[in-house]
Amino acid sequence: AQKVTQAQTEISVVEKEDVTLDCVYETRDTTYYLFWYKQPPSGELVFLIRRNSFDEQNEISGRYSWNFQKSTSSFNFTITASQVVDSAVYFCALFWRAFGSGNTGKLIFGQGTTLQVKP
Amino acid sequence: EPEVTQTPSHQVTQMGQEVILRCVPISNHLYFYWYRQILGQKVEFLVSFYNNEISEKSEIFDDQFSVERPDGSNFTLKIRSTKLEDSAMYFCASSEGSFATNEKLFFGSGTQLSVL
Repeated sequence: AQKVTQAQTEISVVEKEDVTLDCVYETRDTTYYLFWYKQPPSGELVFLIRRNSFDEQNEISGRYSWNFQKSTSSFNFTITASQVVDSAVYFCALFWRAFGSGNTGKLIFGQGTTLQVKP
Repeated sequence: EPEVTQTPSHQVTQMGQEVILRCVPISNHLYFYWYRQILGQKVEFLVSFYNNEISEKSEIFDDQFSVERPDGSNFTLKIRSTKLEDSAMYFCASSEGSFATNEKLFFGSGTQLSVL
């Protein structure tokens, strides 16, 4: 079955600390897509990154970086030099489509990690 | 950047009443979705819609729920007889293509539904 696990429910750090949010996924598909979304206190879902299963290259975008490891089925997210504005709930998600159907597929979300960055 | 627009941002209703949540997806998008998030929980898939019909639906999406694209721009979610457990944030989302390429799902800001 397809599943996304974010074992860290809440993380609290002090500004300027680095923080890593863990994501472990389960899928039998050989081709799949992984995502991270940010949900600030205002409630909207903000897209951060998409990673295709055939592209294991890690990515850096400013203070954000992502470590994709197929061998351990993990897609971890690191914020370097955290800031108060990074305080939010972060969701890891797996895109899955049932084989052989005309389905559009769906995102399967993890439980989310609440990150609190204190000044 | 183009946006998915949802109205209203908050909706309060009495149990048993019908509600319609409205969404305007991004104009050139072809795939539409509804997700919901019960307070403090993860985001859950409800239904996807393509080519004027439901493509896939979850077990949550029972006969009380329906979706419609009444014109070329709106995408609505109707709950016929609301229950207390329908209280949640409902997100509309759209994408241009079918995820085979570098598609990402654009989410609206959500409608917070409170059933009293």
